[in-house]
Amino acid sequence: AQKITQTQPGMFVQEKEAVTLDCTYDTSDQSYGLFWYKQPSSGEMIFLIYQGSYDEQNATEGRYSLNFQKARKSANLVISASQLGDSAMYFCAMRVTGNQFYFGTGTSLTVIP
Amino acid sequence: DSGVTQTPKHLITATGQRVTLRCSPRSGDLSVYWYQQSLDQGLQFLIQYYNGEERAKGNILERFSAQQFPDLHSELNLSSLELGDSALYFCASSVADTPNYGYTFGSGTRLTVV
Repeated sequence: AQKITQTQPGMFVQEKEAVTLDCTYDTSDQSYGLFWYKQPSSGEMIFLIYQGSYDEQNATEGRYSLNFQKARKSANLVISASQLGDSAMYFCAMRVTGNQFYFGTGTSLTVIP
Repeated sequence: DSGVTQTPKHLITATGQRVTLRCSPRSGDLSVYWYQQSLDQGLQFLIQYYNGEERAKGNILERFSAQQFPDLHSELNLSSLELGDSALYFCASSVADTPNYGYTFGSGTRLTVV
């Protein structure tokens, strides 16, 4: 069975600081993709970053990076230099071949000025 | 604009009624997925269509049904609505079902059942 776990319901970070949002996953498939999405209060789901299971380097997209530790089955999102606009819900998700996404329960991030 | 169009954006209806939510996928995407997001249950997968055929089913109630039309747009029908059906309903599309392809989400339909 596929499962995504996000253990931090809520996080606070000071503006301009870095923050790590935790995500662990469980799958027996060798080929899988890990994704992070941001959901601001307006409700839309915004794609942030992708990591493939065979990728040897951690993915980066601007201020976002994914700390991929395959042996530990973790895919933590790191946001550097937090901005007020980063306040949102963040969802970790996994995809295996032929299946829909499996989402975690989300982490609510609040950036404090 | 993500390229996935969902209508309507907001819907308020009474218990017992029936509503239809519509989704047009991004151009070129054959797969459409429907999700329900309620406050206490996170993102729940409802159903997937691929090129007009049902591909996978999740936690979709019998009161709910969906279809994908030849032009690839999809409709989610919710009937005998209950207060607990109030939620944000997302449609997403994807080029393929392989792990390296992500979802493109629509902006969602916020359904309120009163």
